[in-house]
Amino acid sequence: NAGVTQTPKFQVLKTGQSMTLQCAQDMNHNSMYWYRQDPGMGLRLIYYSASEGTTDKGEVPNGYNVSRLNKREFSLRLESAAPSQTSVYFCASSERSSNQPQHFGDGTRLSIL
Amino acid sequence: AQKITQTQPGMFVQEKEAVTLDCTYDTSDPSYGLFWYKQPSSGEMIFLIYQGSYDQQNATEGRYSLNFQKARKSANLVISASQLGDSAMYFCAMTSSGGYNKLIFGAGTRLAVHP
Repeated sequence: NAGVTQTPKFQVLKTGQSMTLQCAQDMNHNSMYWYRQDPGMGLRLIYYSASEGTTDKGEVPNGYNVSRLNKREFSLRLESAAPSQTSVYFCASSERSSNQPQHFGDGTRLSIL
Repeated sequence: AQKITQTQPGMFVQEKEAVTLDCTYDTSDPSYGLFWYKQPSSGEMIFLIYQGSYDQQNATEGRYSLNFQKARKSANLVISASQLGDSAMYFCAMTSSGGYNKLIFGAGTRLAVHP
């Protein structure tokens, strides 16, 4: 019963390097999300995908791109990493209805030097 | 603009006592959902409880209840009979406008349960 799986769990990058964070869910959910969590703050939405084949920007999309590869997988790409993108990244999935909770992966802790 | 405010950066409670974690929200949408999540020191986000804006009764899930006061725009989490394992960060979240179940989170409250 895996739920939402994120890889990798930890990563250190140098400024300017690129990186793709992977996320897969096995709950047959239509909607998937990427959030970032910075110290002393709640989670902020980067991008979301309401359904397979669609993606849209959230609150803090600059510096990121996403791909909804299929219904199960939703990846987040940093094309040219910056120190300001040092954060913990969470992927989540849910049914499309607004009364359904989002289920989160365990997070990826990303440090950019 | 929509906003979630958690005014208590940190709280502590004695084991077996009840504790209330505050959450106020601001939205002009007539329909919205309110969620509480727990984040233990291990880092994962655990869903606790949900309240819909049209729900007449306060939500309850085991030892968790949500004190929903719509006119005051508050959605406080009440944990009864606190346990040591309740020590964690707690986040209040609200569905944002535009649908698709997007969430806006508060900054969180760190709860420490003392034996």
